[in-house]
Amino acid sequence: GESVGLHLPTLSVQEGDNSIINCAYSNSASDYFIWYKQESGKGPQFIIDIRSNMDKRQGQRVTVLLNKTVKHLSLQIAATQPGDSAVYFCAEGWGFGNEKLTFGTGTRLTIIP
Amino acid sequence: DGGITQSPKYLFRKEGQNVTLSCEQNLNHDAMYWYRQDPGQGLRLIYYSQIVNDFQKGDIAEGYSVSREKKESFPLTVTSAQKNPTAFYLCASSRQGNNSPLHFGNGTRLTVT
Repeated sequence: GESVGLHLPTLSVQEGDNSIINCAYSNSASDYFIWYKQESGKGPQFIIDIRSNMDKRQGQRVTVLLNKTVKHLSLQIAATQPGDSAVYFCAEGWGFGNEKLTFGTGTRLTIIP
Repeated sequence: DGGITQSPKYLFRKEGQNVTLSCEQNLNHDAMYWYRQDPGQGLRLIYYSQIVNDFQKGDIAEGYSVSREKKESFPLTVTSAQKNPTAFYLCASSRQGNNSPLHFGNGTRLTVT
């Protein structure tokens, strides 16, 4: 079946450096992509989203890049801080319903002080 | 502060007992969702509701039941028919339509022995 996956399950980055978290998707019909951050013992928090008519979107210290040709999504976090340590996962969907979202398994990002 | 409240945070039950997980939101969102999170897997949708007094099965509804008598509340009952109920359960809500981001609660960790 269709699935959303991640290239790396863990990532360690020095504080202040930039980090890149990757996500591969396989459903070519997906037109909406989201990144979530989940801290230990808490629920996921929305970070940023992007629709398929865009290839880049920026937020505060975060950038999402979408490459539809190779079905790849990435989240870039600039100038990482200790509070960025968490699990990050992507989700893909199509149409307008959140019930159609498929979630990835996540990458654990650890910021080294 | 607006948000989603799940209670309790930890729940322990004996096998064969039904248990109800609470989810309340004061975001005035129409849509509410229940997800299950297991290690190494992405979130899986159990049930969702787009309007009061209506709800739909998600991908893994077997062994679960819900009700939506009030806009603010979407309780989930894990029945004795659920074969593997031990998991982290997440409730979410969103505005209707156009991929409004999901807002998650902080989850309930259910352990059944």
